[in-house]
Amino acid sequence: AQSVAQPEDQVNVAEGNPLTVKCTYSVSGNPYLFWYVQYPNRGLQFLLKYITGDNLVKGSYGFEAEFNKSQTSFHLKKPSALVSDSALYFCAPDATDKLIFGTGTRLQVFP
Amino acid sequence: EPEVTQTPSHQVTQMGQEVILRCVPISNHLYFYWYRQILGQKVEFLVSFYNNEISEKSEIFDDQFSVERPDGSNFTLKIRSTKLEDSAMYFCASRSGEGRFTQPQHFGDGTRLSIL
Repeated sequence: AQSVAQPEDQVNVAEGNPLTVKCTYSVSGNPYLFWYVQYPNRGLQFLLKYITGDNLVKGSYGFEAEFNKSQTSFHLKKPSALVSDSALYFCAPDATDKLIFGTGTRLQVFP
Repeated sequence: EPEVTQTPSHQVTQMGQEVILRCVPISNHLYFYWYRQILGQKVEFLVSFYNNEISEKSEIFDDQFSVERPDGSNFTLKIRSTKLEDSAMYFCASRSGEGRFTQPQHFGDGTRLSIL
């Protein structure tokens, strides 16, 4: 079965510090990879994607993600966290035109 | 920036009743989707729709569910006879036709469906 693992339910980080939200996946083929963010009472907002090429991709709000094919991972990173980054983050491989979601990781950035 | 719009934001329905959830996808998008998220659980794929027909559906999407694009702008999800376990947040999404599936899906804010 296809699946996504986000091993940390919550990540806590101080404002200004770097952050990493981890994601590994088990999806057949070479799926396109996406990160989404969800703020309270809102839908899923696209952050960034990996399609092909450079393993480090950049997205919205200063976020970037690193693709590792051998480890089937796609970790989300940001060099300097902001309090406003606090939200729920979802890694989502695209398995032939449907997104597979994990349980999400809640990012809490403290002032 | 164009948005996916879903109505209503909250729907309360008696068990056994029919419910229709409505979505207006981004205007030039060609691929349409429904997902749902039961409280505290993962977001789950329900169905994809392209060229006026279902492309793929999940095991959740049984005979009680149907989708329709009745005109050029709306995309609806109908649950014919609701059950308690249908209570969830339902998200509509749409995707551009450019570059095959390299483009992201864009999501609405969801409809919270509560079955009593």
